[in-house]
Amino acid sequence: DIQMTQSPSTLSPSVGDRVTITCRASQSLNSWLAWYQQKPGKAPNLLIYKASRLESGVPSRFSGSGFGTEFTLTISSLQPDDVATYYCQQYNHYPLTFGGGTKVEIK
Amino acid sequence: QVQLVESGGGVVQPGRSLRLSCAASGFSVSNYAMHWVRQSPGKGLEWVAVIPYDETYKNYADSVKGRFTISRDSSKNTMYLQMNSLKREDSAVYYCTREGADTGSYIDHWGQGTLVTVSS
Repeated sequence: DIQMTQSPSTLSPSVGDRVTITCRASQSLNSWLAWYQQKPGKAPNLLIYKASRLESGVPSRFSGSGFGTEFTLTISSLQPDDVATYYCQQYNHYPLTFGGGTKVEIK
Repeated sequence: QVQLVESGGGVVQPGRSLRLSCAASGFSVSNYAMHWVRQSPGKGLEWVAVIPYDETYKNYADSVKGRFTISRDSSKNTMYLQMNSLKREDSAVYYCTREGADTGSYIDHWGQGTLVTVSS
């Protein structure tokens, strides 16, 4: 199975800060990586697919980059509504696997 | 718009069975791959199973292989997860999900989830 490692596990930035979350895969994914946002008590919501493609309706402050084994999710200017846990997911091979999550809180 | 509504969760004893249903609207389950994903309380996300649009195969996580069966009824536009020989570690919120329209198994729509608790 492909192991997905996210870092950091928690973040406490201030409103307006640039936030970067990293996801590393145990083997190459090419660009087959997605990012999701999950707010407390809610289902996850797709942000990014194919490493860098912004899902329709997602604010442009979210962006994704990377290829192979290292990927990044960036929030250009953190907003209060962005408080959530963020997960990466690889879809290069079954079983599909998720990172352990990064919890973003506001300082 | 796309909607996925799960039902069938509840409290069940270890070793017993449960069937989850996912009623889809706004699209046809015959045209998309569908997945079940679960999340144990306070934990991360775990993929469970997939049924592709053409049902040419079904794939399962090792943790549920041989115990869970994914299926669908196109006439009812509904997907199912039959869960047998349930274990305490199967306790989780189970999400019905739809695969995105672009190439690859990313998930673009999630249901609200149904809670399964395996306990004596």
